Amino acid sequence: GAVVSQHPSWVICKSGTSVKIECRSLDFQATTMFWYRQFPKQSLMLMATSNEGSKATYEQGVEKDKFLINHASLTLSTLTVTSAHPEDSSFYICSAPPMTDSYEQYFGPGTRLTVT
Amino acid sequence: DAKTTQPNSMESNEEEPVHLPCNHSTISGTDYIHWYRQLPSQGPEYVIHGLTSNVNNRMASLAIAEDRKSSTLILHRATLRDAAVYYCILGQTINQAGTALIFGKGTTLSVSS
Repeated sequence: GAVVSQHPSWVICKSGTSVKIECRSLDFQATTMFWYRQFPKQSLMLMATSNEGSKATYEQGVEKDKFLINHASLTLSTLTVTSAHPEDSSFYICSAPPMTDSYEQYFGPGTRLTVT
Repeated sequence: DAKTTQPNSMESNEEEPVHLPCNHSTISGTDYIHWYRQLPSQGPEYVIHGLTSNVNNRMASLAIAEDRKSSTLILHRATLRDAAVYYCILGQTINQAGTALIFGKGTTLSVSS
């Protein structure tokens, strides 16, 4: 099946700094990618939709100025957590549905962010 | 969005079949039923999907009730590697492009040897 990668797989940063997480579709193109956040023992929560060539759309309650999303190409979306705080520590997962008709969405392996 | 209800957890023994139920009483006529699973510390992966008829693939089977208000994911012989959280998700279209999957709480499946 298609592959979606994320980089880094884990990161530790200090409070107040910014962290960039990359999501790449390795063998297909995606005009849309999705970003999720998952706290321990909880389900995935959709944060935002990343659109190639246009602004991202954010779910209610997600601060767009704090979670900056850039869909630079048909294979790359980045999520930057700005001025990170310990409560931003979470597992961040991206997904990418192929541009062609597909019943399956492909998820990245996730990025574990720890803010100290 | 139509909602799904799943048991919080289920247990199984290795080599035994597992039936994971999902209730979706408010499903619309165009909603597809998708199942994904998430192994520990990984991103979710697709398992199976269906609309009205029962479906089989190499991973599992999906049995859909005649009124479509419930469905059951069937793992025919559970292995330790099947221990995961299983999510039943309703999707508006067979083409997922551009449509985010909305995850419920899912069912945590434990498999014992």
